Amino acid sequence: DGGITQSPKYLFRKEGQNVTLSCEQNLNHDAMYWYRQDPGQGLRLIYYSQIVNDFQKGDIAEGYSVSREKKESFPLTVTSAQKNPTAFYLCASSISGSRHVILGYTFGSGTRLTVV
Amino acid sequence: GQQLNQSPQSMFIQEGEDVSMNCTSSSIFNTWLWYKQDPGEGPVLLIALYKAGELTSNGRLTAQFGITRKDSFLNISASIPSDVGIYFCAGPPPYSGAGSYQLTFGKGTKLSVIP
Repeated sequence: DGGITQSPKYLFRKEGQNVTLSCEQNLNHDAMYWYRQDPGQGLRLIYYSQIVNDFQKGDIAEGYSVSREKKESFPLTVTSAQKNPTAFYLCASSISGSRHVILGYTFGSGTRLTVV
Repeated sequence: GQQLNQSPQSMFIQEGEDVSMNCTSSSIFNTWLWYKQDPGEGPVLLIALYKAGELTSNGRLTAQFGITRKDSFLNISASIPSDVGIYFCAGPPPYSGAGSYQLTFGKGTKLSVIP
């Protein structure tokens, strides 16, 4: 079955360390997205990519970096520059383009990152 | 950017009660999507609405696309404990340049069901 997989489910990071969250999809979707979720804040867009080797900053990109070397993969690195990284991170994918966005996104099951 | 306002922000109900929540926008939307997020999981699409006035059901869930195209409603009948979670509305805002083929999400309605 096709789907989108995030790993790990739980991640602990020491202050000052970079950490990378994995997101892999086998839905043949062109577009992929990273969201951050904090209690009561809804979903905030960090980065998105509409095509391989191209990505754009979302609303809260500072302190994060991404790469899109393969269609299936869109890893997110939380750098030491992110001052408050403890949050629930969600990856999503979709068919690209304005005609297909109405079909919605498929989300992964999330990674909970805690800074210790 | 475009915003979707969901209300209520949270609600506590007794098992068996019906639930109503809504999503409004200052701009016209041509598609409304409703997602549910179980605790500790990613959101899952429940219902999609594509036409003003459309009423669509999925089991005990019923969603409506408002006639003005600026709002949508989600109702849950005879709630059960597994209805607990956060319900998000979403939609692609009217085309306004680069990035407008993305979804805008509301902040969600958190539902708690008391057994």
